[in-house]
Amino acid sequence: GAGVSQSPRYKVAKRGQDVALRCDPISGHVSLFWYQQALGQGPEFLTYFQNEAQLDKSGLPSDRFFAERPEGSVSTLKIQRTQQEDSAVYLCASSLVRGGREDTQYFGPGTRLTVL
Amino acid sequence: AQTVTQSQPEMSVQEAETVTLSCTYDTSESDYYLFWYKQPPSRQMILVIRQEAYKQQNATENRFSVNFQKAAKSFSLKISDSQLGDAAMYFCAYRSGGYQTGANNLFFGTGTRLTVIP
Repeated sequence: GAGVSQSPRYKVAKRGQDVALRCDPISGHVSLFWYQQALGQGPEFLTYFQNEAQLDKSGLPSDRFFAERPEGSVSTLKIQRTQQEDSAVYLCASSLVRGGREDTQYFGPGTRLTVL
Repeated sequence: AQTVTQSQPEMSVQEAETVTLSCTYDTSESDYYLFWYKQPPSRQMILVIRQEAYKQQNATENRFSVNFQKAAKSFSLKISDSQLGDAAMYFCAYRSGGYQTGANNLFFGTGTRLTVIP
């Protein structure tokens, strides 16, 4: 079946603008993750959903970052009043189950956000 | 907190040769999982191989195999018969085996850029 998809692939924003990044997980996947990948670094965890419930948002860097998954499928990561340090690739991943031995995360292609 | 260290920012290998990428990690947990992901220029993270900590046998997937040394907290990736398509960033990642909050997310190293020389 189809993999994880993300849109847009590229986003350029002026400092202070709000942006919304979309993730379509693999159909039927319970768990959804957002990661932030700065240039030359490995991805870092932002937040985790189990169905529509946001169970872990410990990685969100500030209250300007907000994520939702209202119907337990598509998720949106919103960044308000963007700053230059928000420039990064935002990766979404989904997995079939919650934790455990069968939990393998499958990643989307990411959205590259550039804040000018 | 768990940390994952990849000490080789860049590696190169001749086509058809073998290369080993290093990864070490730090954890106090006994139940966990380790992964190698490949990230080509397209940015899509592709799972290469996974290893369950409770398994003593090293995982193998075709030309990819791991050397998992639990006591040393070492998890290296060996790529045999390297192909041009193997050129990419390779990330080592750790995940807790538990079900508690925070156990599901992956902790990544900083990556190793692999170049394959024709």
